[in-house]
Amino acid sequence: LAKTTQPISMDSYEGQEVNITCSHNNIATNDYITWYQQFPSQGPRFIIQGYKTKVTNEVASLFIPADRKSSTLSLPRVSLSDTAVYYCLVGSGAGSYQLTFGKGTKLSVIP
Amino acid sequence: DVKVTQSSRYLVKRTGEKVFLECVQDMDHENMFWYRQDPGLGLRLIYFSYDVKMKEKGDIPEGYSVSREKKERFSLILESASTNQTSMYLCASSFPGPGGETQYFGPGTRLLVL
Repeated sequence: LAKTTQPISMDSYEGQEVNITCSHNNIATNDYITWYQQFPSQGPRFIIQGYKTKVTNEVASLFIPADRKSSTLSLPRVSLSDTAVYYCLVGSGAGSYQLTFGKGTKLSVIP
Repeated sequence: DVKVTQSSRYLVKRTGEKVFLECVQDMDHENMFWYRQDPGLGLRLIYFSYDVKMKEKGDIPEGYSVSREKKERFSLILESASTNQTSMYLCASSFPGPGGETQYFGPGTRLLVL
């Protein structure tokens, strides 16, 4: 399982775009990158998943460079309700049942 | 929507008690997981199960056991609770995809062992 490294914490003002970068130098060819969001006293929630280039959904965008050794979760115009811990995971469906959650990035949105 | 429910949101037990945490999912998922979450340590995998009556150890299985008699239900058992097992316990179920497992989590059980 590829190990991931993220910043421990980030602060942002409301309305700003937030970019959280995750490094995964040992990512395997079959691995995808997945991000989860966790609010206090709740379980993590799936946000977005991608393999290469760019993926966008109604919540976020995920940018993955050609070498795939890192990825960036982009949250447009954050609000106070985006205050949460964000986890970056790397894995594949090739016989791999478990995912490894690191310590995540605690995002604090300031009014 | 996938629903994962856990039997209790809060639980207080005494040292040495046997503790059962129950988890039920309603989406016919093959795989189920138990994690614990502690401040500064993130989520740590205790056990997972990829089929009925099958189980695999995660990163921190010591002091825990699991049971999966039915596909929708995955139980975590603390044979003799200790104070260092005070934690938030999270259950998840998942389905496999090309990008690996997409996990759906329950609301968590906050366990206090006195």
